[in-house]
Amino acid sequence: QSVLTQPPSVSGAPGQRVTISCTGSSSNIGAGNDVHWYQQFPGTAPKLLINGNSNRPSGVPDRFSGSKSGTSASLAITGLQAEDEADYYCQSYDSSLRVYVFGGGTTVTVL
Amino acid sequence: EVQLVESGGGLVKPGGSLRLSCVASGFTVSTYSFNWVRQAPGKGLEWVSSISSGSTYTFYTDSVRGRFTISRDNAKNSVYLQMNSLRAEDTAVYYCARDGYNSGYDDFDYWGQGTLVTVSS
Repeated sequence: QSVLTQPPSVSGAPGQRVTISCTGSSSNIGAGNDVHWYQQFPGTAPKLLINGNSNRPSGVPDRFSGSKSGTSASLAITGLQAEDEADYYCQSYDSSLRVYVFGGGTTVTVL
Repeated sequence: EVQLVESGGGLVKPGGSLRLSCVASGFTVSTYSFNWVRQAPGKGLEWVSSISSGSTYTFYTDSVRGRFTISRDNAKNSVYLQMNSLRAEDTAVYYCARDGYNSGYDDFDYWGQGTLVTVSS
């Protein structure tokens, strides 16, 4: 059971927009801690996709965007492409547990 | 180019020990904090441990505290994870990840390729 909750899977047709939610609590996201997102392809290491809730590191396509409100955050992929098929994880810091926490991950499938 | 290369994984019996290493390059290693993050087969990511740039501060998730020890040798640009009293539930790919604190974020901005630890009799 992950501290941050994500849907197990989302899917969309090429060109569509999909969103992945990340729900936390008052001790992590709701405490004002930043949310970060990672992309992971099978058999490879995670890669930082979004940091500081909505910042895209250099090299990340602008079809990826992040937002945060209250105790939740979201990752949006607009103009979905076949190469976006991967697992996506949200991450934050829990001030009560004093640990970094991850969501359980969401598999994005391009139909 | 930032590179993190882990090694030291393998098959170990329950109760055994392993020492993982992470060699970093492409940046001033001594000024960064580092983390170990693991991923059990078919499962999600779990933060395991962190160490500050000068080794002053170390942190652990509850399930490994007292069994695992994180350390570093800045002269060798290396970070280590000594794992003792290993259990079946420690089976995972272990990733070394650079802390994004220097950029103002509490994220993991670069990751190694991972090393597989299998605990089984």
